[in-house]
Amino acid sequence: KNQVEQSPQSLIILEGKNCTLQCNYTVSPFSNLRWYKQDTGRGPVSLTIMTFSENTKSNGRYTATLDADTKQSSLHITASQLSDSASYICVVREGQTGANNLFFGTGTRLTVIP
Amino acid sequence: DVKVTQSSRYLVKRTGEKVFLECVQDMDHENMFWYRQDPGLGLRLIYFSYDVKMKEKGDIPEGYSVSREKKERFSLILESASTNQTSMYLCASSLGRHTEAFFGQGTRLTVV
Repeated sequence: KNQVEQSPQSLIILEGKNCTLQCNYTVSPFSNLRWYKQDTGRGPVSLTIMTFSENTKSNGRYTATLDADTKQSSLHITASQLSDSASYICVVREGQTGANNLFFGTGTRLTVIP
Repeated sequence: DVKVTQSSRYLVKRTGEKVFLECVQDMDHENMFWYRQDPGLGLRLIYFSYDVKMKEKGDIPEGYSVSREKKERFSLILESASTNQTSMYLCASSLGRHTEAFFGQGTRLTVV
């Protein structure tokens, strides 16, 4: 069964600190993996996309990693800011041809406090 | 920039009412999707469409219908709203079947 699991469910960190969010998946065949950021009351916005051949990709203070062998991804946030407070959702695309091939994690709720 | 616009940010409707949620995208995308998002459950696909007048059921289509008369517009219809349809509804679009899905800002629907 295709599943995406994220941990932790929620996280509180001090401003300026680093943190790492985890995503494990069983989706097969694998096409790509995206991390989305969702501010409260808003729609998700893509941060990074990881394909099978990519191990690491950065977008400013966000760095995503992918281990396709163990089917794990992480999102590392460096020097956190108050504006990083949001839910982070891991989304894995199955490598089939149908349009309905996205599998969503339930997200990690990050709160950055001053 | 891709823009996916949902007609309302917040809606409050009464049980039994017919509810229309509208979504418009401005990038000539083929695929459009309607999801609902509930705490602890993540995003669940209600319906999607890969072409005008085409629609496919997602994982939780019961109690919903959709309409896609024009390429840029995808409507979600609750024929008779019920309290268990209180949720955040998200519309998304993508150019192709393996390309990024862009989301609207969401509609928070409360059925009382």
